[in-house]
Amino acid sequence: GAVVSQHPSWVICKSGTSVKIECRSLDFQATTMFWYRQFPKQSLMLMATSNEGSKATYEQGVEKDKFLINHASLTLSTLTVTSAHPEDSSFYICSAVAGGLSYEQYFGPGTRLTVT
Amino acid sequence: AQSVTQLDSQVPVFEEAPVELRCNYSSSVSVYLFWYVQYPNQGLQLLLKYLSGSTLVKGINGFEAEFNKSQTSFHLRKPSVHISDTAEYFCAVSDPNNAGNMLTFGGGTRLMVKP
Repeated sequence: GAVVSQHPSWVICKSGTSVKIECRSLDFQATTMFWYRQFPKQSLMLMATSNEGSKATYEQGVEKDKFLINHASLTLSTLTVTSAHPEDSSFYICSAVAGGLSYEQYFGPGTRLTVT
Repeated sequence: AQSVTQLDSQVPVFEEAPVELRCNYSSSVSVYLFWYVQYPNQGLQLLLKYLSGSTLVKGINGFEAEFNKSQTSFHLRKPSVHISDTAEYFCAVSDPNNAGNMLTFGGGTRLMVKP
């Protein structure tokens, strides 16, 4: 149980285009999902917290107009990187938390974004 | 505010030798503690967690960790490593008073197991 998927697993796009990454909880309902980015050989940096049916909460320094997050259902959150630039190239990882008093985050396998 | 320090960015070790990956945290409240493993180009897999109770926690793949409140540490150990243990290891904390709250990660330790 507690499986989180991400799609796509990797994507290459041209500078100036937009890319959407999906995060799905496959066997549980996730009231909260988190989005992280990870640069090579570095730790995970929290970008935003996404709650179903409400606006995402962005961490300081993360541009909300550039990284659009939508959590439209209890099993799906999407991250759209708008007008992508090479510096947005990174590994993006989502995690999901079940409802109630759950404390544990379940992580997706990550999405490698390369902007050329 | 919480913070996590992983003192070693890289730990080289020979196969079948014991290993300890160090983790210290700072927090003004009680914490939940986690160790995750990340293999190349993959997400994070939970190794073990401390929520309460026994300070010695056993996890998957033969790993264990000990919560030391006085030293604010949660070091990860394995008595005999395998080549397949080569990966990045992350220590993390969360605030138990905020269910499902965000994790604060350490910088990671790359474990390199040599034959």
